[in-house]
Amino acid sequence: GQSLEQPSEVTAVEGAIVQINCTYQTSGFYGLSWYQQHDGGAPTFLSYNALDGLEETGRFSSFLSRSDSYGYLLLQELQMKDSASYFCAVRSLNAGNNRKLIWGLGTSLAVNP
Amino acid sequence: SAVISQKPSRDICQRGTSLTIQCQVDSQVTMMFWYRQQPGQSLTLIATANQGSEATYESGFVIDKFPISRPNLTFSTLTVSNMSPEDSSIYLCSVEGGTSYEQYFGPGTRLTVT
Repeated sequence: GQSLEQPSEVTAVEGAIVQINCTYQTSGFYGLSWYQQHDGGAPTFLSYNALDGLEETGRFSSFLSRSDSYGYLLLQELQMKDSASYFCAVRSLNAGNNRKLIWGLGTSLAVNP
Repeated sequence: SAVISQKPSRDICQRGTSLTIQCQVDSQVTMMFWYRQQPGQSLTLIATANQGSEATYESGFVIDKFPISRPNLTFSTLTVSNMSPEDSSIYLCSVEGGTSYEQYFGPGTRLTVT
């Protein structure tokens, strides 16, 4: 089967650093993505790793190790507005060999003052 | 980036009826995706819709229950047929961005079946 595991909940304080891990087991792998979703909103794209290593985009960084089937999202200088759900998603192929995303169950991040 | 609109934003429907959800994109895109998401849960891909070809459905979803149309490169519809309360969910359409590894999402359609 195909599965992605990530912690269900994480709590942190403003200004802190938090790391959300994601391990995956999929039949095909073409990259790992991270999305943010606020309550009542739609998911928004944060980052993408196709190759091993660290990608940095402002306060957010994402890491991938394909040999370990593992990645993480690192959020620095946390702000209250970062309170949201974070999803990792593996880029794979559907039955018609078209691209698709397989989603993790999401991590609910609560940032406290 | 792409701007996506969905209609309706929400609806309350009776068991046994059908609802068609529309998804409009402000630019031409090859691939469109339809998802279902229960509040507080993850996203489940229903199907991928490419213009000019039949939609590809994921395991557990069938065309008779979720027929999809993709008449052009900016528009798609998803119909939820013969609804039951288990179909109550948020339905989201999305498209790939220019880089092809980003997906952009519509605001969603919140469906309640009574």
